[in-house]
Amino acid sequence: DAGVTQSPTHLIKTRGQQVTLRCSPKSGHDTVSWYQQALGQGPQFIFQYYEEEERQRGNFPDRFSGHQFPNYSSELNVNALLLGDSALYLCASSLGTAPWQSGYTFGSGTRLTVV
Amino acid sequence: DAKTTQPTSMDCAEGRAANLPCNHSTISGNEYVYWYRQIHSQGPQYIIHGLKNNETNEMASLIITEDRKSSTLILPHATLRDTAVYYCIVRVDRDDKIIFGKGTRLHILP
Repeated sequence: DAGVTQSPTHLIKTRGQQVTLRCSPKSGHDTVSWYQQALGQGPQFIFQYYEEEERQRGNFPDRFSGHQFPNYSSELNVNALLLGDSALYLCASSLGTAPWQSGYTFGSGTRLTVV
Repeated sequence: DAKTTQPTSMDCAEGRAANLPCNHSTISGNEYVYWYRQIHSQGPQYIIHGLKNNETNEMASLIITEDRKSSTLILPHATLRDTAVYYCIVRVDRDDKIIFGKGTRLHILP
């Protein structure tokens, strides 16, 4: 049973560029949440997608946007990259109607470095 | 903001019980306590959760005080593979997202 898959695992981008990160949820899950984890900090909630709509959003600027596809996979896009966007980006999947009961399953993340 | 307070780091000898404390003094009556851990270079992993009663599973035990203002995660026989950051989380019923604090960095010493 495949868990959450994220791609790529590592990425290096230049300041000002745009980046797209991808996430495939665990089989049977329909909701995807994205988190940013800076070095030495806990993961910070970016947003959550359910039924192809953004359902909740954390305190992140509009440079961070996302999308969810009919097969429940999701993308995170970041525009106009800043050095401070360097972090581990985590994707978590769950069941939208009962997320805590179904459990959140996390991927191993994408390590983004902005230079 | 996270609703929990945890020590920044702890050490435990291999084979001994690791006891990780968490304060959640503002917890509401219908809010659960969850524990996750994050091993280096991996995503967070669910460990255990509870509401009022003590809970035990194959990974750990969770002891919640009677007033529910604090809890302790117990790893009964810690191994080197238990070295990780442990997050204590209060589940907010109206929210379907996990809010992480900074967690406790647990070092298991050989």
